[in-house]
Amino acid sequence: EVQLVESGGGLVQPGRSLKLSCAISGFTFSDYNMAWVRQAPTKGLEWVASISYGGTNTHYGDSVKGRFTISRDNAKSTLYLQVDSLRSEDTATYYCARGATVPFDHWGQGVMVTVSS
Amino acid sequence: DIQMTQSPSSMSVSLGDTVTITCRASQDVGIYVNWFQQKPGKSPRRMIYRVMNLADGVPSRFSGSRSGSDYSLTISSLESEDVADYHCLQYDEYPFTFGSGTKVEIK
Repeated sequence: EVQLVESGGGLVQPGRSLKLSCAISGFTFSDYNMAWVRQAPTKGLEWVASISYGGTNTHYGDSVKGRFTISRDNAKSTLYLQVDSLRSEDTATYYCARGATVPFDHWGQGVMVTVSS
Repeated sequence: DIQMTQSPSSMSVSLGDTVTITCRASQDVGIYVNWFQQKPGKSPRRMIYRVMNLADGVPSRFSGSRSGSDYSLTISSLESEDVADYHCLQYDEYPFTFGSGTKVEIK
């Protein structure tokens, strides 16, 4: 069974950092591109970032470019999102999702990040 | 960036009705449009990929189509379990962009 399990969220002050993780099981992680998608409370979905299966190619949404970093450890079957210089508008549920060539066929349950002083 | 203009933002329909949701792409995105269903408090679920292909386990009352720059999700004979938000996504080029979502409710 394919499983994606996010962790690392929480309440954080503006300007601070967090590192989100997404632990993968049930498929060969290194065969797939991966992505992070977020959803602010009562809002729609927003694609945040994608990474190629080998980790060499990354892409970011305009609103997070330069502040967020997507990475992966294929040996640990784990996807990461380093979120720096957090702003109130980054408050959202963050989902990891599989795929980019034909996105996103599997999703995690999501992890909440709240940015507030 | 490519804009996906989704309409309507909400709709209240009766069980058994046919529902059509549309996303208009601001530039050509070819076949690279997916549709997702999201029930309250749940993660999104992919329903349609590459415009018209049904994802695994999705009931056949769901279908996707394209007419020019308009991409549509149709639910024929709406059932109570179809109450959800629906989102389109273009992935023809980065940044990937979602539509603003459509809430489908029962009248």
